[in-house]
Formats: sequence, C-alpha cells, structure tokens
Amino acid sequence: DTGVSQDPRHKITKRGQNVTFRCDPISEHNRLYWYRQTLGQGPEFLTYFQNEAQLEKSRLLSDRFSAERPKGSFSTLEIQRTEQGDSAMYLCASSSRVGTEAFFGQGTRLTVV
Amino acid sequence: TQLLEQSPQFLSIQEGENLTVYCNSSSVFSSLQWYRQEPGEGPVLLVTVVTGGEVKKLKRLTFQFGDARKDSSLHITAAQPGDTGLYLCAGIMDSNYQLIWGAGTKLIIKP
Repeated sequence: DTGVSQDPRHKITKRGQNVTFRCDPISEHNRLYWYRQTLGQGPEFLTYFQNEAQLEKSRLLSDRFSAERPKGSFSTLEIQRTEQGDSAMYLCASSSRVGTEAFFGQGTRLTVV
Repeated sequence: TQLLEQSPQFLSIQEGENLTVYCNSSSVFSSLQWYRQEPGEGPVLLVTVVTGGEVKKLKRLTFQFGDARKDSSLHITAAQPGDTGLYLCAGIMDSNYQLIWGAGTKLIIKP
C-alpha cells in the first residue's frame, strides 16, 4: 500500500458546476477524514467516517456538500453548484482503528472560476 | 476561537539559527501530533507524543509534550533551508478521535 491517494490532484471548474473528488485511504484504516485548507491556514474539518458510517459533519459542510463511503473503503466528496469561495485544497486523511495518527493524501486543489 | 493556538504564526530566520515554535491549549489532549506541510502537498506526520513530559528527537528537531498534556513545543537546532514549511500541531481529545488542528507556523529558513 502506497498511502492515501486522492484524485484528481487539480480541478478547475466554472462557478455553478458540480465536482466530485475521490479518496482511497490506506487499506487497513477504518477511519477517514475530509478537510478543507486555504492558503497559510491549518486544515478545517469537514466530515469523518468510521467504516461506512458518517459519524460527524462540520457546520462548514453546507447542503451543497455531500460525502459518501459506501463500502467502507474509498470515499467521495461532491460539491454541487460550486461557488468561488469553495476554492481551496481538499485533503483526505485516514487512521487505523487503534492509532491516533492521521496520514494524509496529497490533496485536490480546487479552483472555481 | 482556536482550540489549539500556535505561535508564532510566521517566522523567518537565517540558516544555522535555532528556533522554537509552540502549540498551546487550555484543554487536555490524549495525544498530540506535529506535521510539516509544503506548498501544494498534504501534511506529513513528523511525530506523535502521548505522555505528559515526553520528549522525542528527530535529528535536529526536538518535540516536547507538556506535563499536563495541554501544550507542546518544537525546537529546531541549526535550522536549514530544507526545514522551510508550514508546521502544524494537531491533538486528539479523549472524548473522540477527531483531530483538533492549530492554524500552523509558517517557517522560512533563509540561506
């Protein structure tokens, strides 16, 4: 296993379009997190899965955002009707059942024009 | 209000100097991690500290967890340009497994 992978690395979209990002966590990890990060800031928590269950969602996650992890493996984050304020780096991380460390993917850089 | 406060927010020093950055909270954490992030990349885990008073060394980097597990510091000796990056601390509380993040210290080491 080569670690957490995210696809795509970069996405440019027009305002109003929908976008979907994918995250493949480390295979034995049951916890998966999505974060959003803007330049020079720390990651902001968006949502968290334990296996296929979405256990927590941030208030940052408006109704235009939805995340799934249907089989408890990979996850998708969809943003509908994108706005310029959605431009950010979207990071995915995973951690094991007993570990506390989170391992991050390289992120998806979204630019809404 | 940031649950984990990092200071300074920004630090620019010459190669060879020593520096310390801090991660402070009024809350107790069961563990705390330090990450380094380069532009356009995800954060990379440097170390995890779990015991109050614990000190861990990673080459020229020394990490310390406060006795009360509310704060941590990162000390870099003889800083090098390769140390440049955003240093983030993140903690886990006993109540859940969600990582609580600081806003980061942006470090620039000038040759």
